[in-house]
Amino acid sequence: DGGITQSPKYLFRKEGQNVTLSCEQNLNHDAMYWYRQDPGQGLRLIYYSQIVNDFQKGDIAEGYSVSREKKESFPLTVTSAQKNPTAFYLCASSARTVNTEAFFGQGTRLTVV
Amino acid sequence: AQTVTQSQPEMSVQEAETVTLSCTYDTSESDYYLFWYKQPPSRQMILVIRQEAYKQQNATENRFSVNFQKAAKSFSLKISDSQLGDAAMYFCAYRSGNNDMRFGAGTRLTVKP
Repeated sequence: DGGITQSPKYLFRKEGQNVTLSCEQNLNHDAMYWYRQDPGQGLRLIYYSQIVNDFQKGDIAEGYSVSREKKESFPLTVTSAQKNPTAFYLCASSARTVNTEAFFGQGTRLTVV
Repeated sequence: AQTVTQSQPEMSVQEAETVTLSCTYDTSESDYYLFWYKQPPSRQMILVIRQEAYKQQNATENRFSVNFQKAAKSFSLKISDSQLGDAAMYFCAYRSGNNDMRFGAGTRLTVKP
């Protein structure tokens, strides 16, 4: 079945450690996105990528990094520079034509202690 | 960057009644798409309806319809004959021609039996 997979579903890390969230899709989509969801703040864009080896910062890119070495994969690294990393993270993908819907993964709940 | 505003953090509707969720956006672009997504307690994002900026006609999907006012940059969602299963967070989204996709803060809809 085609879809977008985020792993793990729950992730715990100690403060000061970098952590990488996985996002894989087999929908042959060019565009991929990372969002952070906090209560009352909706989905805030961290990074997005339109094509392999290219990505743009969103509104809250500070403390995060991404790579897009393969079309299927768009991992997000939460670095120790991110001041408040505990949140729910959603990955999405879509075809490049602007009228197509985005498909979302199940999300990763990151807790930093 | 484009911004999306949902001014109603919470809304409530009686089962079988109609409710309207508001959304405004700010952009200088002419080519874009607007979307409404639903997020139930499972946190899986589900597309509800989409609207192309060039189309005058408002989109309709069964019990869901939009009121798209391009000059006012307004994109409201009307849910008719509300059902208990409509209870969820609803997010308005803007997608630009370069695939930048932004979401509003969301509206939590409660459906009363």
